[in-house]
Amino acid sequence: AQSVTQPDIHITVSEGASLELRCNYSYGATPYLFWYVQSPGQGLQLLLKYFSGDTLVQGIKGFEAEFKRSQSSFNLRKPSVHWSDAAEYFCAVGADRGSTLGRLYFGRGTQLTVWP
Amino acid sequence: NAGVMQNPRHLVRRRGQEARLRCSPMKGHSHVYWYRQLPEEGLKFMVYLQKENIIDESGMPKERFSAEFPKEGPSILRIQQVVRGDSAAYFCASSQIPPGKGTEAFFGQGTRLTVV
Repeated sequence: AQSVTQPDIHITVSEGASLELRCNYSYGATPYLFWYVQSPGQGLQLLLKYFSGDTLVQGIKGFEAEFKRSQSSFNLRKPSVHWSDAAEYFCAVGADRGSTLGRLYFGRGTQLTVWP
Repeated sequence: NAGVMQNPRHLVRRRGQEARLRCSPMKGHSHVYWYRQLPEEGLKFMVYLQKENIIDESGMPKERFSAEFPKEGPSILRIQQVVRGDSAAYFCASSQIPPGKGTEAFFGQGTRLTVV
């Protein structure tokens, strides 16, 4: 069965510092991978997605993620964090076939705090 | 182009009452998904619907919960005889094409249900 692990529940960084949020997935075939961001009381906004092709994916707001099949990982990175990046970040994996087609599996999220 | 619209944004119900959550997908989207987010957890899939059809309801609790997506009007998630454990944020997402390669789901802002 598909599953997503985000090992870090809470991360704190200083403004201007680099950021890496970890995501590991379990899926039997080529996964479709997503990173979403959720601000307090808001819905989910898609940051970036990986379907196929280049394993380094660029997203909005200066974020990027790298798909590493050998490590079953899809870590999110940003070279310089801004105070407005403080939010909760969710990694998700989607199925491309079978009985779970259409379903996204989410990690439990990483809460990012940014110090000024 | 309006996004996925959910209403109400906040809903308070007493134990034993019914809760009705509405979701209007993005224009041109005929695939709707409902997810539930419990406190301190990621989103969990509940149900996947197309117009007038339930495609996958394997994530729905067997009792008290039902969902529909009629030919006309919004998708409705209905919770009968609510209990305190139903308190959560309920998110709706929609997509334009059938799930699979290249599908991206757009999320609404959610309905936060509180059962008192």
